[in-house]
Amino acid sequence: DAGITQSPRHKVTETGTPVTLRCHQTENHRYMYWYRQDPGHGLRLIHYSYGVKDTDKGEVSDGYSVSRSKTEDFLLTLESATSSQTSVYFCAISPNREGPDTQYFGPGTRLTVL
Amino acid sequence: SQQGEEDPQALSIQEGENATMNCSYKTSINNLQWYRQNSGRGLVHLILIRSNEREKHSGRLRVTLDTSKKSSSLLITASRAADTASYFCATVSGGSYIPTFGRGTSLIVHP
Repeated sequence: DAGITQSPRHKVTETGTPVTLRCHQTENHRYMYWYRQDPGHGLRLIHYSYGVKDTDKGEVSDGYSVSRSKTEDFLLTLESATSSQTSVYFCAISPNREGPDTQYFGPGTRLTVL
Repeated sequence: SQQGEEDPQALSIQEGENATMNCSYKTSINNLQWYRQNSGRGLVHLILIRSNEREKHSGRLRVTLDTSKKSSSLLITASRAADTASYFCATVSGGSYIPTFGRGTSLIVHP
């Protein structure tokens, strides 16, 4: 999984609670991404980062925020989780040697919001 | 929004047969990529083909790109049970560098 770790790997939470997912990489890659994967929708981009403190919104950013205070960590926060945010969340990086348009994915976090 | 659409949605074949998956897209692209996802795992990058390329090979994988038809195909030759996975095409267009993914083709290879 390209040296990317995600934590937690599984989480069950209740509607209205805040949730933070962590993506960690060890090779100083500049570009990092958060996706969600749902049946029938494929993979959709939530937020991405092109450097420390540099982030931007993706296709489905409503209800999500991100932070990147260090190169190696990209955090995804659901401020108040809803059942529609039940999904599998994938973090990805673009290796510096290959440029930003190739991505390598972490193992995913399965989030269930009750 | 989906740019690439894979076809078929599902494919079931016997080990040793070839598997062909197609991807169609709507707007001009800079490059097109194929990824594989095994059950419960993250996506794995397989191959990237640029808009000025027509064919690319990697091991048992052959990718073609026809920009006039806005389509690509992924051929897996002599398939193995371990090739069982979902396969996604992803396109990079315009000034963006971020791939947009299709919904995928689910491939089952029976031993």
